[in-house]
Amino acid sequence: GNSVTQMEGPVTLSEEAFLTINCTYTATGYPSLFWYVQYPGEGLQLLLKATKADDKGSNKGFEATYRKETTSFHLEKGSVQVSDSAVYFCALSDLVSSGTYKYIFGTGTRLKVLA
Amino acid sequence: DAGVTQSPTHLIKTRGQQVTLRCSPKSGHDTVSWYQQALGQGPQFIFQYYEEEERQRGNFPDRFSGHQFPNYSSELNVNALLLGDSALYLCASSLVQGAGTGELFFGEGSRLTVL
Repeated sequence: GNSVTQMEGPVTLSEEAFLTINCTYTATGYPSLFWYVQYPGEGLQLLLKATKADDKGSNKGFEATYRKETTSFHLEKGSVQVSDSAVYFCALSDLVSSGTYKYIFGTGTRLKVLA
Repeated sequence: DAGVTQSPTHLIKTRGQQVTLRCSPKSGHDTVSWYQQALGQGPQFIFQYYEEEERQRGNFPDRFSGHQFPNYSSELNVNALLLGDSALYLCASSLVQGAGTGELFFGEGSRLTVL
């Protein structure tokens, strides 16, 4: 079945460092890809998405490009801040039946940014 | 605009008991999905409701059941609780028209502890 694999954490960086969190997927068809973020004590919220190959999603300085040839959707940010400390989840939409989808999430990568 | 609200936020049960969790979707949303998030793991899909019917189901036993009401709110019921049911239960709402590419809006979750 379809699945998402993301790098294990925790990832610890100093403020203003460059961030990459790797995500690869296995899917039949052409799923949409998402990054969700979970701040401490909160629910998940959408960070960015891409709905077709070569699309780049971006938000709050974060970017990810839908790479069909490498089945990847790596999350990057040029300069992280302490406020970016959270757990990041890669996800894909999985077509179950006509017009019906479910979302499959990776195990999450915890990011800690030190001042 | 109220987002997704869940209740209760925390609860403690003992093995063999039954629990009901509640969710009110974001205003205007017609589809509700439930996820189980064990500690340190990503959300696992339980089931999805639309038009008061279960549209699809993840790999969870029949002890997990749900309901959607005419106002789109939803309940998750778990019978014969096991220690392994201890987790954060997340409700996510969305629009059926956005299926596959649209954003899931998550509540903050109900944390269930089974003793």
